[in-house]
Amino acid sequence: AQKVTQAQTEISVVEKEDVTLDCVYETRDTTYYLFWYKQPPSGELVFLIRRNSFDEQNEISGRYSWNFQKSTSSFNFTITASQVVDSAVYFCALSDNAGGTSYGKLTFGQGTILTVHP
Amino acid sequence: KAGVTQTPRYLIKTRGQQVTLSCSPISGHRSVSWYQQTPGQGLQFLFEYFSETQRNKGNFPGRFSGRQFSNSRSEMNVSTLELGDSALYLCASSQEEVRPYEQYFGPGTRLTVT
Repeated sequence: AQKVTQAQTEISVVEKEDVTLDCVYETRDTTYYLFWYKQPPSGELVFLIRRNSFDEQNEISGRYSWNFQKSTSSFNFTITASQVVDSAVYFCALSDNAGGTSYGKLTFGQGTILTVHP
Repeated sequence: KAGVTQTPRYLIKTRGQQVTLSCSPISGHRSVSWYQQTPGQGLQFLFEYFSETQRNKGNFPGRFSGRQFSNSRSEMNVSTLELGDSALYLCASSQEEVRPYEQYFGPGTRLTVT
């Protein structure tokens, strides 16, 4: 069965600190996708990144970067020089294709609450 | 492009009642999925619709049902509400022909059952 583990329930940092959110996943699929979503207090899940299982290149987008390591089944997310506006709940998610019949199901981790203090 | 919209945003119901939630996907997106979010269970998949057909269903009782219309709009229904159904219900749409699994979420409907 699919499983996503975000071991850090809560992280608290001071503005301008770098912070890394950990994500470990389990799947039997050979082709899969990994995602990170941000959920601000308003409740809407905001898409941040999609990575497929064949692309292990790290990605950087502004202050955000992602490290995908298939060997350790990890997909970690780093925010550089954190800002108060980064405060939110962050979810890591894994595609679940239900044997190839479905493309609309994601398995989510429990989320990491990030609080950035001024 | 307008995002995913969900109505109503907030709802208060009494145990035993039923409720219908609505979701309008992003234009051009034909896949719609529903998730339930609670503090205890986190984000759990409810069901997925594509071209008016339910393609996948999560592990929820039969009280939870849904449908999708020809314009890709979707509704979910919960009958005989229980206190434990209080949650944030999120709808997501995707254009799977182009970017499978990449889902865009609406703001959610917060349901409170008293």
